[in-house]
Amino acid sequence: RKEVEQDPGPFNVPEGATVAFNCTYSNSASQSFFWYRQDCRKEPKLLMSVYSSGNEDGRFTAQLNRASQYISLLIRDSKLSDSATYLCVVNDNYGQNFVFGPGTRLSVLP
Amino acid sequence: DTEVTQTPKHLVMGMTNKKSLKCEQHMGHRAMYWYKQKAKKPPELMFVYSYEKLSINESVPSRFSPECPNSSLLNLHLHALQPEDSALYLCASSAPGLGGGYTFGSGTRLTVV
Repeated sequence: RKEVEQDPGPFNVPEGATVAFNCTYSNSASQSFFWYRQDCRKEPKLLMSVYSSGNEDGRFTAQLNRASQYISLLIRDSKLSDSATYLCVVNDNYGQNFVFGPGTRLSVLP
Repeated sequence: DTEVTQTPKHLVMGMTNKKSLKCEQHMGHRAMYWYKQKAKKPPELMFVYSYEKLSINESVPSRFSPECPNSSLLNLHLHALQPEDSALYLCASSAPGLGGGYTFGSGTRLTVV
């Protein structure tokens, strides 16, 4: 089993749709969790850190369920500019070893 | 603009060449990383430096040689690479401890011919 798994995608959604991404991780000792977005031929950029209490930033909401070892990202009112690959990242060692999921590609269509 | 600067942005090299990739950050981060990313795949960890000491080496071939001259700089020396080493090489840094994620540089797109 891979350490971090994500929805295989791709997701093709119309503008204005709500889309949810799921991520599971295998190491119960994992300490911190993140969503990154990566545009084609660009570097990954931090989108959100994910906290147990859940956190929201505008149209984006991230949730963490430690018991189920599950992380989610919800995008509301999707925009064309949201088209990217979304990477789930888990920190498996104190401050050092960040493990990437395979990514889920999102295409928002006009 | 990224706070982690990588040079060069693009590099084409022959299999007998020696080249170096450079990375610099001035955020006071004490952990720096090299990742390799092939098309449509997530980044793969190569090396981790923590407080200028190599702490993780994910069994990368010896034709890749990292160097951390100080807490702000990270180099990756390349020698006798193979065409399959062509990829995007990403440098990242992070603050010590938990909570903060990585900050990535914009990467060096390497082509080995």
